[in-house]
Amino acid sequence: GAGVSQSPSNKVTEKGKDVELRCDPISGHTALYWYRQSLGQGLEFLIYFQGNSAPDKSGLPSDRFSAERTGGSVSTLTIQRTQQEDSAVYLCASSFVPSTNTEAFFGQGTRLTVV
Amino acid sequence: AQSVTQLDSQVPVFEEAPVELRCNYSSSVSVYLFWYVQYPNQGLQLLLKYLSGSTLVKGINGFEAEFNKSQTSFHLRKPSVHISDTAEYFCAVTRMDSSYKLIFGSGTRLLVRP
Repeated sequence: GAGVSQSPSNKVTEKGKDVELRCDPISGHTALYWYRQSLGQGLEFLIYFQGNSAPDKSGLPSDRFSAERTGGSVSTLTIQRTQQEDSAVYLCASSFVPSTNTEAFFGQGTRLTVV
Repeated sequence: AQSVTQLDSQVPVFEEAPVELRCNYSSSVSVYLFWYVQYPNQGLQLLLKYLSGSTLVKGINGFEAEFNKSQTSFHLRKPSVHISDTAEYFCAVTRMDSSYKLIFGSGTRLLVRP
């Protein structure tokens, strides 16, 4: 596609439920990132996929969070047993590396509200 | 490890005044440098980037930034701001090694007042 696509754009879920957030990166981009942005806050790094390398999961806040990237393309971020503090905008970005132009392109995000 | 520091969480400025948003980084390897902007209720978009060459880079909407290797800084400037420049600005770096991991600063909210 023309840009990074995230779905759903909005998700309201009950505390304790599991949610899946999807990211379709730009075709051909080898790197994919997930970030979390809480209200009025900066970007919190969650996880980074780069080609066939093992993902960098150092930013995942707890074992309730997991992510996978199938076939080097689409990625799914899963949050199990959601808590109210998980409410935030989850942003996905992709870029082409290795390259001298490592600009990351962002999706519009998924706004998750846990009630 | 690398880190990006944006010391100013909020910068209020009057319309048509100049502005500088500060960014400092630390890294054991060379980096590429970026500024992203997030307008209210919108996604992030690239404002400008430094990859190599001239240390003064120009971006969209009249913004520019200067890479200073000795001071490990990449400050963003605009000589005259507009109300429409009100947004959150994020500085970011990516390592010029096998990881190419993109790391963001905490952001600076630019508030332009009439």
